[in-house]
Amino acid sequence: GDSVTQMEGPVTLSEEAFLTINCTYTATGYPSLFWYVQYPGEGLQLLLKATKADDKGSNKGFEATYRKETTSFHLEKGSVQVSDSAVYFCALSEDDYKLSFGAGTTVTVRA
Amino acid sequence: NAGVTQTPKFRILKIGQSMTLQCTQDMNHNYMYWYRQDPGMGLKLIYYSVGAGITDKGEVPNGYNVSRSTTEDFPLRLELAAPSQTSVYFCASSYSGLAVDNEQFFGPGTRLTVL
Repeated sequence: GDSVTQMEGPVTLSEEAFLTINCTYTATGYPSLFWYVQYPGEGLQLLLKATKADDKGSNKGFEATYRKETTSFHLEKGSVQVSDSAVYFCALSEDDYKLSFGAGTTVTVRA
Repeated sequence: NAGVTQTPKFRILKIGQSMTLQCTQDMNHNYMYWYRQDPGMGLKLIYYSVGAGITDKGEVPNGYNVSRSTTEDFPLRLELAAPSQTSVYFCASSYSGLAVDNEQFFGPGTRLTVL
């Protein structure tokens, strides 16, 4: 079945540091890939997505590229801010309803 | 718009008790979902609904029931609570399905402990 494996946390960074969160997936077909973010006390929000190989999703300075050859969708940001402190979830979908999520990576950015 | 709201935020149940987790959305979305998140794990789909009167099982439906009598509300019922149902429960909604490029919007979650 479908599964998502993402980098274990927690990750602690200083402001303006480079952030990478690794995500790899297993799927039978050609899934759509997503990154969701959960800020403290809030629900999950869609951060970015990509629907086919070599697509790059981007939002709020974050980027991720759909790499079919390595079955990966790593999240990157060049210069993080304190406001980026959150839990980040990688997810995939192969049908109309079901999102398969990774375990989440907690990121803390210190001033 | 309030988006997706869930009540209660926290609840402690004794083994064998029952309760209903409430979920309401004010975005006129057709699709609604219930997920659970166990510590150190990703979210897993419990049930979903594609419209009023239509529900279907997700990945982990055992021990739960749902109903969808209106577009806005999608309550999740726990009968005979068990410690294995200790989790954080998220409700979500979307206008249509993922295949047509629709985003799922999530509520803030309900933290449930069964002792």
